[in-house]
Amino acid sequence: GAVVSQHPSRVICKSGTSVKIECRSLDFQATTMFWYRQFPKKSLMLMATSNEGSKATYEQGVEKDKFLINHASLTLSTLTVTSAHPEDSSFYICSAYRDQTEAFFGQGTRLTVV
Amino acid sequence: QKEVEQNSGPLSVPEGAIASLNCTYSDRGSQSFFWYRQYSGKSPELIMSIYSNGDKEDGRFTAQLNKASQYVSLLIRDSQPSDSATYLCAVYDFGNEKLTFGTGTRLTIIP
Repeated sequence: GAVVSQHPSRVICKSGTSVKIECRSLDFQATTMFWYRQFPKKSLMLMATSNEGSKATYEQGVEKDKFLINHASLTLSTLTVTSAHPEDSSFYICSAYRDQTEAFFGQGTRLTVV
Repeated sequence: QKEVEQNSGPLSVPEGAIASLNCTYSDRGSQSFFWYRQYSGKSPELIMSIYSNGDKEDGRFTAQLNKASQYVSLLIRDSQPSDSATYLCAVYDFGNEKLTFGTGTRLTIIP
């Protein structure tokens, strides 16, 4: 089946530093990828839509300067959490669509800001 | 606002029984429907997709879609402890080109 790879799976960083998370579609091209955030025992919250070759589209309430998204190729999107603070600690998940509608998820990144 | 609703549970089912998970959606124009399974601390995993009215079976899983009632369900036969997870219903919105997720139903299979 389709595979979406996300890296790193876990990261601990100091407050004020930046963290980059990578999302790769391994066996299909993805012009669009999505970034989600999930709090414990809560559902997925869509943060932004990453579009290859153009600017990302952010959901209401998500700071685009805080969460930088780059979709440099048809198989790679990155999310950078800038100047991270403890409240940014969360589970971040990317997804990519195969055949436009079937979404596959990366393994997720557990971010802890200390 | 387009919504996807699920009973949050928890739903407890004895091992070997049938688990029934339900989902309703508000956008009558929706065409694509998905069920994802999410284990604690892991990302969602696609287990079923369904696009037309009726039943679709895959192993122990059966998805049922009724577009007139705007209802999609997932049946798990011969439930196993390893089926214990949160099940997310998702509906694809062609207009926004996005999936809308329900809040998920937490299923526990009791040995």
